Amino acid sequence: GAGVSQSPRYKVAKRGQDVALRCDPISGHVSLFWYQQALGQGPEFLTYFQNEAQLDKSGLPSDRFFAERPEGSVSTLKIQRTQQEDSAVYLCASSLAGTPTGKYFGPGTRLTVT
Amino acid sequence: DQQVKQNSPSLSVQEGRISILNCDYTNSMFDYFLWYKKYPAEGPTFLISISSIKDKNEDGRFTVFLNKSAKHLSLHIVPSQPGDSAVYFCAASARVGGGSEKLVFGKGTKLTVNP
Repeated sequence: GAGVSQSPRYKVAKRGQDVALRCDPISGHVSLFWYQQALGQGPEFLTYFQNEAQLDKSGLPSDRFFAERPEGSVSTLKIQRTQQEDSAVYLCASSLAGTPTGKYFGPGTRLTVT
Repeated sequence: DQQVKQNSPSLSVQEGRISILNCDYTNSMFDYFLWYKKYPAEGPTFLISISSIKDKNEDGRFTVFLNKSAKHLSLHIVPSQPGDSAVYFCAASARVGGGSEKLVFGKGTKLTVNP
């Protein structure tokens, strides 16, 4: 496909479970971003990769959140021991390096922690 | 501390009229501003952007105005169409050297265009 894809689209987890969210960026896009969007809020930055290097993880809310992009393409956001406050839509975006206007967003994964 | 603010949660306009969505920011390091449109269950879609060296950028029915001294920008849609009904997010970035170009978003304004 031509766009950013994310899976699963919906995830329900019991509190304390670990989850893994996947992002497939647009082919050739060097930059990859993860954002968290809580209900009624705008997306908030979590972390940024340039190729396989995680250059900024200042937005990760706690050490339960971990992201990786081992081969510079697909990325996984992992949340350990999920809490209710982790319930949100997790958005992935990719872009060519140095082009903020080229940030293409995926449809997001809606995580509900019960 | 919210660095990008969209103070109107919602806006309703008649088809054919102008829609004006407003956005204020507090961080003077922001030098690039973007507007995104979001439909339910979809990711944000880029609409239009403006660099801090400009005060206006136009693309078809969409125009963004930037007032740096007031730290204010606005998105004008004219004429508004029912298909424009969506949530609009204002976003800003500080493209300083070595920065990650992360975007800081406002909370969004839900636009409803009535036929």
